[in-house]
Amino acid sequence: AQTVTQSQPEMSVQEAETVTLSCTYDTSESDYYLFWYKQPPSRQMILVIRQEAYKQQNATENRFSVNFQKAAKSFSLKISDSQLGDAAMYFCAYSGGSNYKLTFGKGTLLTVNP
Amino acid sequence: NAGVTQTPKFQVLKTGQSMTLQCAQDMNHNSMYWYRQDPGMGLRLIYYSASEGTTDKGEVPNGYNVSRLNKREFSLRLESAAPSQTSVYFCASSAGDPKDTFGSGTRLTVV
Repeated sequence: AQTVTQSQPEMSVQEAETVTLSCTYDTSESDYYLFWYKQPPSRQMILVIRQEAYKQQNATENRFSVNFQKAAKSFSLKISDSQLGDAAMYFCAYSGGSNYKLTFGKGTLLTVNP
Repeated sequence: NAGVTQTPKFQVLKTGQSMTLQCAQDMNHNSMYWYRQDPGMGLRLIYYSASEGTTDKGEVPNGYNVSRLNKREFSLRLESAAPSQTSVYFCASSAGDPKDTFGSGTRLTVV
């Protein structure tokens, strides 16, 4: 069974600074996808970024980028120029196989200090 | 663009009562999912439906049943609610591409 581990229950960052959230996963599959979801206090699950395992290039979406290390099974999220609106719970998630169901980590609560 | 619509948004049940959580999507997605979110646990898959007419168990299916009524609708039923089922429930759908779209969640409290 696949597992996703987020070792940082909470993180904080100063506004305009950069923060990196960590995620490791375990799988025996060769073809899979990895995601970072954001959950603000509104409870809505918002897709931040995704990475296909077969792509060596790290995904980037504006201020959000990932460091995907396939051999190490590591998938960290870097948020640059942090904004107050980035404050939320962040979940790392894995999807493999044909049914696209997601396996989530336990989340990292990010606080952004003004 | 409604996306994924869940009803109700909040519900309080007494132990032993039954209820059905409704989920509908208007994106013509084949796959639909039910997750539960508990504090400190992330989201865990309860049941999923890869296509109309099929359902499969996820990680935590005990105490739940599901129905894929048609391509749009996927309901989750609690036959005899227990306090351990107090949680936030999310429905999601996917077009066969791993990019799930989530509903806004249902906060269920069982007393």
